[in-house]
Amino acid sequence: GENVEQHPSTLSVQEGDSAVIKCTYSDSASNYFPWYKQELGKRPQLIIDIRSNVGEKKDQRIAVTLNKTAKHFSLHITETQPEDSAVYFCAANSGGGADGLTFGKGTHLIIQP
Amino acid sequence: KAGVTQTPRYLIKTRGQQVTLSCSPISGHRSVSWYQQTPGQGLQFLFEYFSETQRNKGNFPGRFSGRQFSNSRSEMNVSTLELGDSALYLCASSPAGARGTEAFFGQGTRLTVV
Repeated sequence: GENVEQHPSTLSVQEGDSAVIKCTYSDSASNYFPWYKQELGKRPQLIIDIRSNVGEKKDQRIAVTLNKTAKHFSLHITETQPEDSAVYFCAANSGGGADGLTFGKGTHLIIQP
Repeated sequence: KAGVTQTPRYLIKTRGQQVTLSCSPISGHRSVSWYQQTPGQGLQFLFEYFSETQRNKGNFPGRFSGRQFSNSRSEMNVSTLELGDSALYLCASSPAGARGTEAFFGQGTRLTVV
């Protein structure tokens, strides 16, 4: 089955700086890679996703890049703000015909004022 | 549109008991997935249902089971509860069951096994 590795587990950055979180996946048949943000006590919410036919996608301060050959994808947050503090999860879908996501272990992003 | 609704929000059970959790997906969504979230293991995929059929299953023991009804509502059942089953159980729904579509999560059911 799919295996997703995520680094780092904790990331502390100064407000206004950029943050980068990296993930690798194992199943070459995976074709959908979402990123979720989970604030304390709340449900995970999708912040951006990318499909395997695209190399990069941007949405305001957030961008995701995908390297299919190397089987890794990354989340980039620019001009970080205090409200960006949360746990971020990367995920990949399975290689089969069904839904169901394999998640990384999460990155606790801390924005220092 | 109403979001994904999970009931109950909190549950306390004793070892050896069984428990049933419920998930009502967003109207029109036919795919429902279940996940277990713990501090040590993160979010782990349990199973996925589409049109009342289990299409995908994670690496959990047979004590974990589920089903989906014709209105897409889903239930998961855990039998012979163990202390290690204490976790936040999240369900997520997706439209049309096509691969690679956004999964919308419910608030989760916090299960504590004592």
